[in-house]
Amino acid sequence: DSGVTQTPKHLITATGQRVTLRCSPRSGDLSVYWYQQSLDQGLQFLIQYYNGEERAKGNILERFSAQQFPDLHSELNLSSLELGDSALYFCASSAGTGEGNQPQHFGDGTRLSIL
Amino acid sequence: AQKITQTQPGMFVQEKEAVTLDCTYDTSDQSYGLFWYKQPSSGEMIFLIYQGSYDEQNATEGRYSLNFQKARKSANLVISASQLGDSAMYFCAMREFSGGSNYKLTFGKGTLLTVNP
Repeated sequence: DSGVTQTPKHLITATGQRVTLRCSPRSGDLSVYWYQQSLDQGLQFLIQYYNGEERAKGNILERFSAQQFPDLHSELNLSSLELGDSALYFCASSAGTGEGNQPQHFGDGTRLSIL
Repeated sequence: AQKITQTQPGMFVQEKEAVTLDCTYDTSDQSYGLFWYKQPSSGEMIFLIYQGSYDEQNATEGRYSLNFQKARKSANLVISASQLGDSAMYFCAMREFSGGSNYKLTFGKGTLLTVNP
């Protein structure tokens, strides 16, 4: 158990809809990272938050947004969903901003299926 | 250009034997870190081992060791005494500086390891 909690585990919805994925980081971790894993793109970094502030952006679409709340949990919002958004979405956390030998600890992921 | 290359889409190994999973990387940074993660069929990502660019010794964690060859920009994972439970996808990742004081992980495509009884 990594200590990172993601909900829900599975999500099935239709094109055009909006969903929210939730992540609770490990106790004491200030950074939260979001990744998308798909068969064709592999594991892609989306965005990082540190102590409530956005710190780095990767390949995140404009239809996607995220935030980190004062209690450090984070939400990833996906809107105007398309079939290609079907993927496994991971949240990871680390103590600092990712420097040194701190690994990122991953949650079990949310599997999103768009019908 | 790919920054992390894992050239072996799939590997097979007999139980109790050792196996090496290849990883090469590309960076112009002097300070970087390399990580290996394991993803079983159940989907979770499990951190295995870390090697820093300034570490003089190869990293080891139990049955996992990292064969780090800095000049060749390779960081191969060695699993000794393979077990059936080692069957999984293995990802090599590099910590990259992403601006300010922030870092991100860039992952390779992964190698699917199958351990045969």
